[in-house]
Amino acid sequence: KNQVEQSPQSLIILEGKNCTLQCNYTVSPFSNLRWYKQDTGRGPVSLTIMTFSENTKSNGRYTATLDADTKQSSLHITASQLSDSASYICVVSALNYGQNFVFGPGTRLSVLP
Amino acid sequence: DTGVSQDPRHKITKRGQNVTFRCDPISEHNRLYWYRQTLGQGPEFLTYFQNEAQLEKSRLLSDRFSAERPKGSFSTLEIQRTEQGDSAMYLCASSLKDRGSNAYGYTFGSGTRLTVV
Repeated sequence: KNQVEQSPQSLIILEGKNCTLQCNYTVSPFSNLRWYKQDTGRGPVSLTIMTFSENTKSNGRYTATLDADTKQSSLHITASQLSDSASYICVVSALNYGQNFVFGPGTRLSVLP
Repeated sequence: DTGVSQDPRHKITKRGQNVTFRCDPISEHNRLYWYRQTLGQGPEFLTYFQNEAQLEKSRLLSDRFSAERPKGSFSTLEIQRTEQGDSAMYLCASSLKDRGSNAYGYTFGSGTRLTVV
């Protein structure tokens, strides 16, 4: 069964600190993995997308890694800001899988001053 | 083009009433998806279209739910006889699928927040 798990479920950090969010998946055959940021009451916004051959991709203070062998990904946030408070959703796309996208439950990040 | 648009942003309705939501995808995108998201959860797939054809429906899409994309452009999601359990954020997304299995430009709208009272 195609599944995506994320940890931790929620995280609280102080402004300026770094943090790392985890995503494990069992989606096969793998096509790509995306990280989204979702502010409360808004739709998800894409942060990064990685294919099988990519093992790291950065978008400003966000850096995503992918280990296709262990089927794990991480999202590292550097020098967190209050505006980073949001849910971060890992989405894995499978080849030839209907509507293609398997969603993780998200990690809720709260950045405190 | 300003991305995926959803209307309305918020809808409050009484139990038993029908509601309809609209989604306008990015113009060149041939795929359109509907999701439901409850508080603290990731989006749950409801259905998707490729052009005007509805290719897949989730078991979550009960008989009270119907989606259309008559001209392969905008789509509507209707919920009949709403129940309190229907209260959720309804998200639309669109993408461009090539002849392979790749979906490009997968983009979400801001969602429609439904509250059934």
